[in-house]
Amino acid sequence: EDQVTQSPEALRLQEGESSSLNCSYTVSGLRGLFWYRQDPGKGPEFLFTLYSAGEEKEKERLKATLTKKESFLHITAPKPEDSATYLCAVHENRDDKIIFGKGTRLHILP
Amino acid sequence: DGGITQSPKYLFRKEGQNVTLSCEQNLNHDAMYWYRQDPGQGLRLIYYSQIVNDFQKGDIAEGYSVSREKKESFPLTVTSAQKNPTAFYLCASRSSYNSPLHFGNGTRLTVT
Repeated sequence: EDQVTQSPEALRLQEGESSSLNCSYTVSGLRGLFWYRQDPGKGPEFLFTLYSAGEEKEKERLKATLTKKESFLHITAPKPEDSATYLCAVHENRDDKIIFGKGTRLHILP
Repeated sequence: DGGITQSPKYLFRKEGQNVTLSCEQNLNHDAMYWYRQDPGQGLRLIYYSQIVNDFQKGDIAEGYSVSREKKESFPLTVTSAQKNPTAFYLCASRSSYNSPLHFGNGTRLTVT
């Protein structure tokens, strides 16, 4: 069964303490992998799309990378405003489904 | 401004009643999706539609129905057959083959 697994479920960091979030996936063929940020009570906000192994994308303090089996979202010197739930989703070749992981709740302490 | 509008933001219903959630987009996107989000469960796919007058079941379609009569509209009906309807419902759309989903701000449905 196709699956998207995110780890850790929750992460608390001090302001300025860099870390990485993981998204591992098992699909028959990857069409694209997406990262989103979600604030409480809001819809997810798109961050990055990655299409092939080795690809990297950056935006401010965030950098997303992709291998054949997993993706990482690296956060460098985070600030309290980076606190949110970060969601990973995969779009597979077989059909038009886009499947989400359960997310990582990130809390940055000032 | 272009975007996806979900209404209402909060919806309350009595058990046994059907309820329809609205989703409208003015992005001219072809594909539209409905997800359900529960605490600790992430987003689970209910239904999706790639073109007008066509839609497919997602992973948790039981107890739900949809229609796609217009490109810009994809309403979701939560029927009385849905055993646990209380949840946060998210509608999304995307423009083309490899493009990401764009989400509305959700409808929180409470059934008592």
